[in-house]
Amino acid sequence: DAGVTQSPTHLIKTRGQQVTLRCSPKSGHDTVSWYQQALGQGPQFIFQYYEEEERQRGNFPDRFSGHQFPNYSSELNVNALLLGDSALYLCASSWTGPNEQFFGPGTRLTVL
Amino acid sequence: AQSVTQLDSQVPVFEEAPVELRCNYSSSVSVYLFWYVQYPNQGLQLLLKYLSGSTLVKGINGFEAEFNKSQTSFHLRKPSVHISDTAEYFCAVSVPGGYQKVTFGIGTKLQVIP
Repeated sequence: DAGVTQSPTHLIKTRGQQVTLRCSPKSGHDTVSWYQQALGQGPQFIFQYYEEEERQRGNFPDRFSGHQFPNYSSELNVNALLLGDSALYLCASSWTGPNEQFFGPGTRLTVL
Repeated sequence: AQSVTQLDSQVPVFEEAPVELRCNYSSSVSVYLFWYVQYPNQGLQLLLKYLSGSTLVKGINGFEAEFNKSQTSFHLRKPSVHISDTAEYFCAVSVPGGYQKVTFGIGTKLQVIP
């Protein structure tokens, strides 16, 4: 089992551009959550997908959007990038219910 | 809403010494509590979790934590640390039925000194 995988590992963009990050959940998991971890901070919840629907959302603007595919993989899209969007973006997968979330290694996004 | 306060941003400790990383939470409802570890340039790994039952929770790598409802605390302890324990540790909380949205603290950097 490969666990949670994310791509790409690193990404450099400029302000105003758009970016798509990808996540493949651990085998058997149906729920994907996305977190933003700024330097020196704890992860902040962006949103969660279950059954291809956004089930819950944190305090992030509409520039952040996502998608979940029938195979449970997920994408995070960020439009109109700002310098402040520079962070490590973590994907976590789990079964629905009070189960442990398994985290991927993250995608490091740098906005110049 | 829930919140987590990690009282120490950095904790230096000598190898083989005991360590305690402190965590307090705030919530108006019952909670699930977690400790995660993050090694450099890696994602998060679950050390242990409290969902219900015994307030003393044992986790991986010799770590344990005690849930204290009256003090709203969930401190992490290890009786003897190793160099390999050097990492950042995050305390986190979620709400039963809250679709697993997890709220993290800002983290505590544990530096084990040889």
